[in-house]
Amino acid sequence: GENVEQHPSTLSVQEGDSAVIKCTYSDSASNYFPWYKQELGKGPQLIIDIRSNVGEKKDQRIAVTLNKTAKHFSLHITETQPEDSAVYFCAASKWYSGVSSASKIIFGSGTRLSIRP
Amino acid sequence: DGGITQSPKYLFRKEGQNVTLSCEQNLNHDAMYWYRQDPGQGLRLIYYSQIVNDFQKGDIAEGYSVSREKKESFPLTVTSAQKNPTAFYLCASSRVGAGNTGELFFGEGSRLTVL
Repeated sequence: GENVEQHPSTLSVQEGDSAVIKCTYSDSASNYFPWYKQELGKGPQLIIDIRSNVGEKKDQRIAVTLNKTAKHFSLHITETQPEDSAVYFCAASKWYSGVSSASKIIFGSGTRLSIRP
Repeated sequence: DGGITQSPKYLFRKEGQNVTLSCEQNLNHDAMYWYRQDPGQGLRLIYYSQIVNDFQKGDIAEGYSVSREKKESFPLTVTSAQKNPTAFYLCASSRVGAGNTGELFFGEGSRLTVL
């Protein structure tokens, strides 16, 4: 079955610096790659996602890149701020319009990001 | 405000007791899910339901049971058969059909501790 590996498990960066979290997936049929942010004591929330028909997507200070050949995808956060401190999860799934395929979402093990003042 | 409400937020249970975690959503989503979160292991799917009166086992269903009698509600029972029930439990929902973007909407979780 699908397996998603996420690195690093913990990451500490200076405020204002960039943070990069990397994931690899095993099922070449996966076509949807969301990233979720989980703040302390809360449920995860989708922050950005990418589908396999694009190689990069950006939303203000966050961006995600996808290398389908290598089966890698990464989250990039620039100009980090204290509110970026959280646990980040990558995930992979096969998504088809009109069908709920969320049950097939496989999550990575998470990265705890800490922003140093 | 639309969202998912989980209760209780914290729950303590003695070994051998069953406990039921509540999950209610007012997003009008057809699909609902239960995940278990353990440190360093990401989110693992326990059960999911894509329509009322129907549900399927996820990857770690043993020791758990669910029901889906109403679209808005998807309670999870942690039974005494679950060997390691102490964990953080997350309920989620999503759209089905044309409106489905793949996004999961999560509640704030219930932390269960077995004493």
